[in-house]
Amino acid sequence: GAGVSQSPRYKVAKRGQDVALRCDPISGHVSLFWYQQALGQGPEFLTYFQNEAQLDKSGLPSDRFFAERPEGSVSTLKIQRTQQEDSAVYLCASSPTGTVPLGSYEQYFGPGTRLTVT
Amino acid sequence: AQRVTQPEKLLSVFKGAPVELKCNYSYSGSPELFWYVQYSRQRLQLLLRHISRESIKGFTADLNKGETSFHLKKPFAQEEDSAMYYCALGGFKTIFGAGTRLFVKA
Repeated sequence: GAGVSQSPRYKVAKRGQDVALRCDPISGHVSLFWYQQALGQGPEFLTYFQNEAQLDKSGLPSDRFFAERPEGSVSTLKIQRTQQEDSAVYLCASSPTGTVPLGSYEQYFGPGTRLTVT
Repeated sequence: AQRVTQPEKLLSVFKGAPVELKCNYSYSGSPELFWYVQYSRQRLQLLLRHISRESIKGFTADLNKGETSFHLKKPFAQEEDSAMYYCALGGFKTIFGAGTRLFVKA
């Protein structure tokens, strides 16, 4: 079956522009995650959804970042007034399971969206 | 604070040699630990998780709570093992290390 897909794959934005990044998780997956991966670094957690509920957004770096998953499937990460430090690869992942305190979550990753802010 | 440390950015070994990718973590409870791998031009994918104690593609990793380590090992490296490897900690709020690039030379 189809894996996690993300669009666009590449985005160049001028500083100050708003951008919207889309994630299509694997059908039926309950959990959805967004990560930011700067060059030479590992992915950093941004936010987590269980179905349509955003259960944790503690990793969002500022109030310019906003994520939604209104129907519990597709998710959009929006960045307002982009800055150069927002340049990174944004990864989306989904998991078939919901929150379990010590659950072993296998996350299925999308290919990422590379955002470059000029 | 929860943290994952991978001390080596790059590890280069010859084909057939043993390989060990180091991972140390900081976590106050019982950790859930994973190794993810990213091959060239492919997406990040799970390699193995400590809870299942499995061996994937000849790789194993043992959780050592005393040393707070979860090193990834393989007795005989293959060229196709060349990739970026990430150690990760946690449940839904996964914390990744910075990654180690493994290069296996012919």
